[in-house]
Amino acid sequence: QAGLTQPPSVSTGLRQTATLTCTGNSNNIGSGGAAWLQQHQGHPPKLLSHRDDSRPSGISERFSASRSGNTASLTITGLQAEDEADYYCSAWDSSLGVWVIGGGTKLTVL
Amino acid sequence: ELQLVESGGGLVLPGESLRLSCAASGFTFSSFWMHWVRQVPGRGLVWVSQINPNGRTTDYADSVKGRFTISRDNSKNTLYLQMDSLRVEDTALYYCASDLASWGQGTLVTVSS
Repeated sequence: QAGLTQPPSVSTGLRQTATLTCTGNSNNIGSGGAAWLQQHQGHPPKLLSHRDDSRPSGISERFSASRSGNTASLTITGLQAEDEADYYCSAWDSSLGVWVIGGGTKLTVL
Repeated sequence: ELQLVESGGGLVLPGESLRLSCAASGFTFSSFWMHWVRQVPGRGLVWVSQINPNGRTTDYADSVKGRFTISRDNSKNTLYLQMDSLRVEDTALYYCASDLASWGQGTLVTVSS
């Protein structure tokens, strides 16, 4: 099944800004947007952003999501050590009738 | 407080069956789409299945279609995943999630001879 493409790893400095990308197609991100999940080692995923780019209650404003065409982005400002985690994007694929999840990006805070 | 608690995982032989349960509390279970997502330790998340609020609409990943069945009992606030004809490649930590927004801690399924 077609999926979403994420870079395997991104490294950025403390207090800097990281932008993670997620590329899909017109049947998934292009039509319905992507949600973003954060997962720390040994813990379940945590929703950072809904598919409409809104943040759930309790999520820091340092996390912001956006979309341009078939690519979704998650921008994290003022990077903190605790932001080091795996980040996944997910979207509904209306053509396949399934949810697709990206392979994940491991964010390292230097 | 919203809580999702998975159970039913374990070690089984290839070809055997297992039923996972997910007990929900702290929210109106009957109003939400529910999902199963699995993850091989150290690997990425893989969506498995979803069910709509009234239980009449279900979807599956190709890798489990015809072998797994998702269901729910809204009177018991519980989600299920019946897994038949299990394969070694089904080995993973299985999470239940409401709307893919709130997640349980997962239950480990190991399929091995």
